[in-house]
Amino acid sequence: KQEVTQIPAALSVPEGENLVLNCSFTDSAIYNLQWFRQDPGKGLTSLLLIQSSQREQTSGRLNASLDKSSGRSTLYIAASQPGDSATYLCAVGMDSSYKLIFGSGTRLLVRP
Amino acid sequence: EAQVTQNPRYLITVTGKKLTVTCSQNMNHEYMSWYRQDPGLGLRQIYYSMNVEVTDKGDVPEGYKVSRKEKRNFPLILESPSPNQTSLYFCASSLSASQPQHFGDGTRLSIL
Repeated sequence: KQEVTQIPAALSVPEGENLVLNCSFTDSAIYNLQWFRQDPGKGLTSLLLIQSSQREQTSGRLNASLDKSSGRSTLYIAASQPGDSATYLCAVGMDSSYKLIFGSGTRLLVRP
Repeated sequence: EAQVTQNPRYLITVTGKKLTVTCSQNMNHEYMSWYRQDPGLGLRQIYYSMNVEVTDKGDVPEGYKVSRKEKRNFPLILESPSPNQTSLYFCASSLSASQPQHFGDGTRLSIL
């Protein structure tokens, strides 16, 4: 059974720092992997989606990488800002059936 | 504006009183899904649908029903709610399993 783990559970950094969030999964036979952001009292916002055949995706200051063989994905945030403070979740799609398995998230605080 | 709309946003009710949480999307998406989010357990998929009249169980379907009679709507039905169904519920949709998911703002259910 696929298990998705995110470490650390919480992270506090000063503004301007580059940071990396980690996501690991136990079954490497994945269909895709998504990174989401969740703000308090809000739903999830999709940040990046990496298909199983891809190694990375970039959007602005965000870069997500995928290494299926090691069961890992990282989300790199460059030059962090207080507005980046939120909970970041990764989710693994196992096949084209739309089943998603989520990690428990990393709560990020960027201090001014 | 492209969006996923859930109603109600908040509901306090009593054990055994049937309730329905509605979900509607205006993006002509094929795929829709329901999740519940609980502290310490993260987001777990309840049911999903890949098209009209096509639904399938997620990881925690017990105590829930869904229907997909038209593409835009995917209601979640609790026939006989119990206190262990107190949770934050999210509806999501996407064009396909390879496309990012769009989430609603959530429905907070309290069952006494």
